[in-house]
Amino acid sequence: KQEVTQIPAALSVPEGENLVLNCSFTDSAIYNLQWFRQDPGKGLTSLLLIQSSQREQTSGRLNASLDKSSGRSTLYIAASQPGDSATYLCAVEDNQGGKLIFGQGTELSVKP
Amino acid sequence: EAQVTQNPRYLITVTGKKLTVTCSQNMNHEYMSWYRQDPGLGLRQIYYSMNVEVTDKGDVPEGYKVSRKEKRNFPLILESPSPNQTSLYFCASSNTGYNEQFFGPGTRLTVL
Repeated sequence: KQEVTQIPAALSVPEGENLVLNCSFTDSAIYNLQWFRQDPGKGLTSLLLIQSSQREQTSGRLNASLDKSSGRSTLYIAASQPGDSATYLCAVEDNQGGKLIFGQGTELSVKP
Repeated sequence: EAQVTQNPRYLITVTGKKLTVTCSQNMNHEYMSWYRQDPGLGLRQIYYSMNVEVTDKGDVPEGYKVSRKEKRNFPLILESPSPNQTSLYFCASSNTGYNEQFFGPGTRLTVL
């Protein structure tokens, strides 16, 4: 059974720092991996989606990488800002499509 | 505006009283899905639908029913709610089952 783990569970950094969030999964037979952001009391916003055949995706200050064979993905945030404070979740989709398994998330706090 | 809407946003009910949480999307998406989010357990998939009249179980389908009679709507039905179904529920949709998912704002359900 697929399991998704995110480390660390919480992270606090000063503004301007570059940071890396980690996501690992136990079964490499995935279709894609998505990174989401969730603000307190709100729904999820998709940040980046990496297909299983891809190695990375970039959007603005965000870069996500995928190493399917080792079951790992990282989300790199450059020059962090207080507005980046939120919970970041990764989710893997199985090969048949449709089933998503989420990690528990990393709660990020960026201090001014 | 492209969006996923859920109603109601907040609901307090009693054990055994049937309820329906509606989900609607205006993006002509084929794929829709329901999740519940609980502290310490994260987001877990309840049911998903790859297209009209096609539904499949996620990880935690017990106690829930869904139907997909038309593309834009995917209601979640709790025939006999129990306190362990107290949770934050999210509906999501995507173009197919393999693309970026768009989430609704969430429905906070309390079963007494």
